[in-house]
Amino acid sequence: DSGVTQTPKHLITATGQRVTLRCSPRSGDLSVYWYQQSLDQGLQFLIQYYNGEERAKGNILERFSAQQFPDLHSELNLSSLELGDSALYFCASNSGGNRNEQFFGPGTRLTVL
Amino acid sequence: SQQGEEDPQALSIQEGENATMNCSYKTSINNLQWYRQNSGRGLVHLILIRSNEREKHSGRLRVTLDTSKKSSSLLITASRAADTASYFCATGGLGGSNYKLTFGKGTLLTVNP
Repeated sequence: DSGVTQTPKHLITATGQRVTLRCSPRSGDLSVYWYQQSLDQGLQFLIQYYNGEERAKGNILERFSAQQFPDLHSELNLSSLELGDSALYFCASNSGGNRNEQFFGPGTRLTVL
Repeated sequence: SQQGEEDPQALSIQEGENATMNCSYKTSINNLQWYRQNSGRGLVHLILIRSNEREKHSGRLRVTLDTSKKSSSLLITASRAADTASYFCATGGLGGSNYKLTFGKGTLLTVNP
């Protein structure tokens, strides 16, 4: 158990819909990272927040957005969903930066029908 | 595109044998990390090697790093069936990219009992 929690575990929805994925980082970690894992693209970095502020952006679509709240939990919002958005979405946390290991949550499996 | 490229894509061995996986990357790095993922689950950090280190050990794991060749290898000795998983290398960049990890597509290791 990494100490990072993600909800929900599974999500099935239809094209065009909007969903919110939630992540609670390990106690004391200020950085939250979001990744998307799909068969064709592999594990792609989406976005990072550090203590409430966006710190780095990766291959995140404009239809996707995220935020980190004062209690440090984070949410990833996916809108106008397409079939190709079906993937595993992981949240990870650490104390900040890429100099240290990241602790991954169990992921949310999103299926868009 | 992926920073790290693991080789081979898949590896099947017998219990007790050693498994070697390789990773190549393209740009200068601060560190290189190896992660394990059991089928459809979150990633687990295995080991981190910094750019000024050449070799590191952790239990049955041995990692080498050759920054001149931009490559790393992960050796698992005396493999067990429980080592069956996907293994990913991830690079921590420098400068403006130092807040994220870039993952390769992984090596699927199967250890047959």
